[in-house]
Amino acid sequence: DQQVKQNSPSLSVQEGRISILNCDYTNSMFDYFLWYKKYPAEGPTFLISISSIKDKNEDGRFTVFLNKSAKHLSLHIVPSQPGDSAVYFCAASENDYKLSFGAGTTVTVRA
Amino acid sequence: DTAVSQTPKYLVTQMGNDKSIKCEQNLGHDTMYWYKQDSKKFLKIMFSYNNKELIINETVPNRFSPKSPDKAHLNLHINSLELGDSAVYFCASSETLVYGYTFGSGTRLTVV
Repeated sequence: DQQVKQNSPSLSVQEGRISILNCDYTNSMFDYFLWYKKYPAEGPTFLISISSIKDKNEDGRFTVFLNKSAKHLSLHIVPSQPGDSAVYFCAASENDYKLSFGAGTTVTVRA
Repeated sequence: DTAVSQTPKYLVTQMGNDKSIKCEQNLGHDTMYWYKQDSKKFLKIMFSYNNKELIINETVPNRFSPKSPDKAHLNLHINSLELGDSAVYFCASSETLVYGYTFGSGTRLTVV
């Protein structure tokens, strides 16, 4: 039973434009949310996180928005760069010892 | 380099064999994990250890036995390998969720 869902398997965006990745969750006990980026043949790399007590967190080109009432979060990447082409995973946690991951969204940044 | 390192990177073996994957982190983190990425690319928790103690065992078959000799190491031993065990196995460590988990580069296990 997938508690974290990324319904868009892929996203193509032009270099310099905004990439918006979406994630929905079903477990209301989740209190921490994270985004990871993964290149082929590498492990996921942590990008940004947000606590459930916040609705926005920003780190450089990356901003995560959380809408608790809708059980929805999104990751904005502005501006998109060729090096951003990767698989992005949304993850959520209700304790420190387990992350539940979405299926991932493959982002392709076009020159 | 500070990192989570796991060996081997690739492992091809026959059904019924026993194999181990090693993981070490030099980040000083208290918690370590094993995750499995299956053919559908889902990343699923298998085990969590905190300071060498098992915290989470996510209904993993008994053929999988993690061992943590100290808080910097979490090895995974798999007995009687089956075709369905073919996957990429990721080790990770963390101190706090604020900074996320640090993952190793993965071990691609292929059972033939």
